[in-house]
Amino acid sequence: GQQVMQIPQYQHVQEGEDFTTYCNSSTTLSNIQWYKQRPGGHPVFLIQLVKSGEVKKQKRLTFQFGEAKKNSSLHITATQTTDVGTYFCAGPNTGFQKLVFGTGTRLLVSP
Amino acid sequence: NAGVTQTPKFQVLKTGQSMTLQCAQDMNHNSMYWYRQDPGMGLRLIYYSASEGTTDKGEVPNGYNVSRLNKREFSLRLESAAPSQTSVYFCAVVGGSARGYTFGSGTRLTVV
Repeated sequence: GQQVMQIPQYQHVQEGEDFTTYCNSSTTLSNIQWYKQRPGGHPVFLIQLVKSGEVKKQKRLTFQFGEAKKNSSLHITATQTTDVGTYFCAGPNTGFQKLVFGTGTRLLVSP
Repeated sequence: NAGVTQTPKFQVLKTGQSMTLQCAQDMNHNSMYWYRQDPGMGLRLIYYSASEGTTDKGEVPNGYNVSRLNKREFSLRLESAAPSQTSVYFCAVVGGSARGYTFGSGTRLTVV
């Protein structure tokens, strides 16, 4: 079945450092979504990318969708302690609106 | 989370007991989902409902049943709980692909 993997599993940075998480799908995706989950919380939708090679920015967060639409990345510039959490990518299964979530990257930011 | 409400928030069950996790939404969306989250495994789809009156299996449906009672409510039932069902359960709804999923706050279930 479709698999979505993320690397790294875990990253610990000092506040102010940059952070990147990578997402790779075993199949071509029609779109990719990103979610953030704070410790003890629930996933919250961040953004959706649809076009090949698409780049979107949300303040310090930059999202990219690969040219082949099988991979994506999330880059955070100058991390802050508020960025702590687990970041998930997710892509639709071949079925109707069923998302397959990646394994997630847990980010810890030390002040 | 104003849009999706899950009850209970916490539950401890003994092996073999049954329980129903409740999910209700006030967002008037058609599609509703149940996911479970285990450490290091991300979120895995248990069941989903594309519209009132329809349900379909997801990736890990064994040991669970669901009911789409009406457009607002989608419940998940464990008939005979097992320790392997210890997990955090999330209900989610989606109203349009560009908006992504809206998740409930989750039910943390422990089976002893």
